[in-house]
This record gives sequence, C-alpha cells and structure tokens, in this order.
Amino acid sequence: DAMVIQNPRYQVTQFGKPVTLSCSQTLNHNVMYWYQQKSSQAPKLLFHYYDKDFNNEADTPDNFQSRRPNTSFCFLDIRSPGLGDAAMYLCATSKDRGPADTQYFGPGTRLTVL
Amino acid sequence: KNEVEQSPQNLTAQEGEFITINCSYSVGISALHWLQQHPGGGIVSLFMLSSGKKKHGRLIATINIQEKHSSLHITASHPRDSAVYICAAPNSGGSNYKLTFGKGTLLTVNP
Repeated sequence: DAMVIQNPRYQVTQFGKPVTLSCSQTLNHNVMYWYQQKSSQAPKLLFHYYDKDFNNEADTPDNFQSRRPNTSFCFLDIRSPGLGDAAMYLCATSKDRGPADTQYFGPGTRLTVL
Repeated sequence: KNEVEQSPQNLTAQEGEFITINCSYSVGISALHWLQQHPGGGIVSLFMLSSGKKKHGRLIATINIQEKHSSLHITASHPRDSAVYICAAPNSGGSNYKLTFGKGTLLTVNP
C-alpha cells in the first residue's frame, strides 16, 4: 500500500546529541511537511519542501534542519536537542500545495531527550 | 491566519450514541479538513470538505461556507471511535497550504 513511513517510531537521545529522523513516502507527492506536536497541543509546522524548494517557518529554531535528497525521502535533523524538543514529530505529504490538498501523515516519531 | 474553534473539547458517549463535534473558523476558506488521531499515534485524514456533505461509513461531515461552520457526526458510535478529532482550516492568501488546527475534541466511547 502507498503510504508515509517514519523511522524510528521511538527515538531516545541525550541532551545536545544530534539526532536524525527519517520520513519516506511511496505516494510520489510533491510536498513533504515536518510538524512538531507536543502533548495535548496541535501540530506545529516546522518546514516543508515543495519538490526541492525548502520553506522554513519563521519561528522554527535554527537547531532544526531538513534535507530532501530525492522525492521519496525527507530527513529532520536536530543539531543539539534540548529538553524542550521532546515531542512527537510528524511527517506529512500532499500531492500539491493548496488549501484543498489532503495531507497524508506518517505514524510519527516520538523523541525523548534525556 | 485562520482562527479555528472546536467544541466540545471532551466528549464521553455510550456505545451506539450519535456524536456531533462542531468546528467554526474565522476566515472564509475553500476547503476544510477533519482529522483523527488515536492516543500516541499518527494522524489520519478523514475528510476534505469544500461544500455540502460527505459520508464515509458511519462518519458524516457537513460544512456551511456562509456561516463558517462545520460538523462531524458519528452514527452508532463504537469504542474504536475513541480518538481525538481535529478540524483544520487553511490560512488565507499566499500561505493557504498551511493549516490552522483546532485544539481537538477528545472522544471516549464506552462499551
């Protein structure tokens, strides 16, 4: 089945130790999003790729970076995780970038920072 | 940015009951999304609505564009429907691909 896959599902890292989260999709969608979701809060958009074009949200800390080496894969790099970065990280894709484009979400990666 | 309000925030029902969750938004839009999230899990898109009504199994979503209001209904509710239901509206203008999410409605259906 076509889907959005995130690895790992659970990630534990130490304070300040770089970590990379992975997202892949078999939908061949143009757009890939990364969201951060903290407990009992709505997802917060960090950035997205429209094809190869990277779009950062104004309030996304510099500590968060992303790479999209090809259509199928997108990575979220946290350069120096702090305790406040512990959250669920959700990857989503959409065919195009419009108000009516359905976003397909992955299962998420729960990040714990010790 | 669109302001999205959902009600109720929490809802407890008995199996078989008819459920209604409401969503209102501040800025006129061309589409509204309803999403489902199980505790600790990922998000599943349920509906994208631009007008009228859509039905998928026991789920029905309606939208009134003029009144800036949408509802999600669940008929014959079941414990497996227990989840957080989220309404999301696109922003206006150039960033209309960005969604503003409601705070969600936590639905618990007891057997």
